[in-house]
Amino acid sequence: AQKVTQAQTEISVVEKEDVTLDCVYETRDTTYYLFWYKQPPSGELVFLIRRNSFDEQNEISGRYSWNFQKSTSSFNFTITASQVVDSAVYFCALSEVGNYGGATNKLIFGTGTLLAVQP
Amino acid sequence: GAGVSQSPRYKVTKRGQDVALRCDPISGHVSLYWYRQALGQGPEFLTYFNYEAQQDKSGLPNDRFSAERPEGSISTLTIQRTEQRDSAMYRCASSFEQGSYEQYFGPGTRLTVT
Repeated sequence: AQKVTQAQTEISVVEKEDVTLDCVYETRDTTYYLFWYKQPPSGELVFLIRRNSFDEQNEISGRYSWNFQKSTSSFNFTITASQVVDSAVYFCALSEVGNYGGATNKLIFGTGTLLAVQP
Repeated sequence: GAGVSQSPRYKVTKRGQDVALRCDPISGHVSLYWYRQALGQGPEFLTYFNYEAQQDKSGLPNDRFSAERPEGSISTLTIQRTEQRDSAMYRCASSFEQGSYEQYFGPGTRLTVT
């Protein structure tokens, strides 16, 4: 069965510290997609990134970076020089390939990591 | 452009009543999804549509839950004979097409069953 584990329930850092959020997944599929979503205190779910199982290159977007390692089934998310606005719950999710090759079937979410960035 | 919208944003109902939750996806989005999110948990899949066809309803907890999308745009999730355990945030998401990947979520409907 597919599963996503976010072992860190809560993390608290001081502004400007770097922080890494861990995500470990389980799947029997050879093709799959991984996602990160952000849920700020206002409650909406904001898409951050999608990565397919064939692309193990790390990705950087501004202060955000993602480290995908198939060997350890992990897709970790690092925020560099954290800011108060980064305070949110972060969800990692996994999707199997749909009938048409896109990851449009159900997303399986982890339980989330609450990140609190103190000023 | 406008994102996914859901109504009502908050719904309080008495046990045993039926409720209908509405989702209006991003214009032109083919795929529409319903999730339920309990407090402190990640969203859990309920059902999904491509156009008007319900492709997967494996996540619906029981036959009190149903969903439709008759014209391939707006969708309604209906819960009959509500129970207290149905209290949760109900989220809708849409994606552009079957070959597309990102699901964009609406603000959710907070359902409280008293």
